[in-house]
Amino acid sequence: QQQVKQSPQSLIVQKGGISIINCAYENTAFDYFPWYQQFPGKGPALLIAIRPDVSEKKEGRFTISFNKSAKQFSLHIMDSQPGDSATYFCAATDSWGKLQFGAGTQVVVTP
Amino acid sequence: DAGVIQSPRHEVTEMGQEVTLRCKPISGHDYLFWYRQTMMRGLELLIYFNNNVPIDDSGMPEDRFSAKMPNASFSTLKIQPSEPRDSAVYFCASSLGTSGGAQETQYFGPGTRLLVL
Repeated sequence: QQQVKQSPQSLIVQKGGISIINCAYENTAFDYFPWYQQFPGKGPALLIAIRPDVSEKKEGRFTISFNKSAKQFSLHIMDSQPGDSATYFCAATDSWGKLQFGAGTQVVVTP
Repeated sequence: DAGVIQSPRHEVTEMGQEVTLRCKPISGHDYLFWYRQTMMRGLELLIYFNNNVPIDDSGMPEDRFSAKMPNASFSTLKIQPSEPRDSAVYFCASSLGTSGGAQETQYFGPGTRLLVL
């Protein structure tokens, strides 16, 4: 079964809007939470990652919010641009385990 | 660096045929991962290697699948015999492992799109 649950499956946002993707996990041993971005016909690429000792990490227009007690984390894409249209995967792992990927969210940014 | 290189990029074969997918990891990376991506099951880890040694193959679907890494710069994923349900995109990824391969950035190749008729 999926160890990381991701929602929504897809979303459409207007240029300049905010895209929000949510993920939840159960395994309290997870201590590393990356987000990968995948464009059509390409492999996933690391976008941003967070460890649970911080509640938020920002890199440019991309922000991860992390709620350890709720076992949830989310990706916010601010000022969404058409070039952000892609599929986004959250993932989680512990120190020695395998990356567990969420099901993915297809983001479409309309002009 | 050219990144992770995979070949072929596309493969169409008939049920029962042997399929071999190839991967060249980024030079100096000591972890190599094979993933399968489908609409139904998402991204699944099939197997991963550390320093050419298979560490975890629990994701390999069945005995029809096998993977090798004869040296640090080459790995293969073989399906014999292939079945229509094997149709998917297969990704190879590599990473530098220090504290543990899973927590280092994984660099994915462009994938091999496999269609088994």
